[in-house]
Amino acid sequence: QKEVEQDPGPLSVPEGAIVSLNCTYSNSAFQYFMWYRQYSRKGPELLMYTYSSGNKEDGRFTAQVDKSSKYISLFIRDSQPSDSATYLCAMSKGQNFVFGPGTRLSVLP
Amino acid sequence: GAVVSQHPSWVICKSGTSVKIECRSLDFQATTMFWYRQFPKQSLMLMATSNEGSKATYEQGVEKDKFLINHASLTLSTLTVTSAHPEDSSFYICSARVPQRQGLVEQYFGPGTRLTVT
Repeated sequence: QKEVEQDPGPLSVPEGAIVSLNCTYSNSAFQYFMWYRQYSRKGPELLMYTYSSGNKEDGRFTAQVDKSSKYISLFIRDSQPSDSATYLCAMSKGQNFVFGPGTRLSVLP
Repeated sequence: GAVVSQHPSWVICKSGTSVKIECRSLDFQATTMFWYRQFPKQSLMLMATSNEGSKATYEQGVEKDKFLINHASLTLSTLTVTSAHPEDSSFYICSARVPQRQGLVEQYFGPGTRLTVT
């Protein structure tokens, strides 16, 4: 079993839809959970991070962590074509930092 | 957030030549930087960890004599692809980690360098 699993997509949604992106992981020691966005031919950029379980909201983005299920989610409300990118989850404990493979999202106008 | 730059953003070279890619942390010091490679529509693959003042640590399967890493200062790491071949054509991304409070480590990425070997 891979340490972090993520549906690679591609995921295509119409503009304005609510998008749900998910990752599962196996190492219960992870403490911080992050989401990165990577546009084509660009480096990933940190969107948001969450410590331990719970929700965190930032504008149209909501990150959710369920440590008991080892499951994290990123919700995008009112999705826009500019949200089209690859979304990578990441998790860490100290210097142990692991990325998921990424989900390609296309928001169609 | 912290800023990491890379140069060049795109380079084309002939097979057999060497190419150097620079990675700089612009507003912070990075004792450790990381080099990733990404093929089209694939995930990031960690190649090596670059340590300031010491030898890099390479991931399994990455040829250290082919991918030379030098971390000469706290703000600069370089990756040199030696004797490049077309199969080395890829997107190379560096990153640096910034320790924060309470054990959080934030990782910031450079914009990437697209290498095309003809």
